[in-house]
Amino acid sequence: EIVMTQSPATLSVSPGERATLSCRASQSIGINLAWYQQKPGQAPRFLIYGASTRATGIPARFSGSGSGTEFTLTISSLQSEDFAVYYCEQYYEWPQTFGQGTKVEIK
Amino acid sequence: EVRLVESGGGLVQPGGSLRLSCAASGFRFSDYAMNWVRQAPGKGLEWISYVSSSSSATYYADSVMGRFTISRDNGENSLYLQMNSLRDEDTAVYYCARDPPYTDSSGYIPHFDYWGQGTLVTVSS
Repeated sequence: EIVMTQSPATLSVSPGERATLSCRASQSIGINLAWYQQKPGQAPRFLIYGASTRATGIPARFSGSGSGTEFTLTISSLQSEDFAVYYCEQYYEWPQTFGQGTKVEIK
Repeated sequence: EVRLVESGGGLVQPGGSLRLSCAASGFRFSDYAMNWVRQAPGKGLEWISYVSSSSSATYYADSVMGRFTISRDNGENSLYLQMNSLRDEDTAVYYCARDPPYTDSSGYIPHFDYWGQGTLVTVSS
């Protein structure tokens, strides 16, 4: 199965600053990558699919990029509600697999 | 409004069985493929099972193959997960999640556009 590796494990950012999260696939997955946000005690929220397309209702400060094996989620100006854990997921091949998550915390 | 509500979780002994349910509303359930995804305490997300909109196709993660069975009742707008031969490592919050009705620009269907709130399954003696 395809292994997804996210870095860093924890990212400390001040409100208003930019956050850049990375996700690497163990083999090429084209653009078949999604990002999710999860807050404590809540279900994940669908943010981005196709590596760069925002899901319905997702603010423009969230952007995704990349293809092949290297992907990035950028949050342009962190708001208080953006502090959470972010997961990438590949759906290029069964079984779909998730990264281990990056926690974005307040600096 | 899309709504997914899981139920049926609880404490079960190793080797026991449990049946989870997911009640769907706010969309035409019969048009959508559905999934179960789980999250062990303090851990990441693990997809475990998929069923197509008509139940013609089902898939399982290796970790649950042969022990878990996914099913759905489109007349009742409900998704199910029958879990048998439960193990300690099956302890997790179990989420039902919908596949979206669209593809990305490469023609692949992404997953998990809506999630339920989850139900906790604890396997322990």
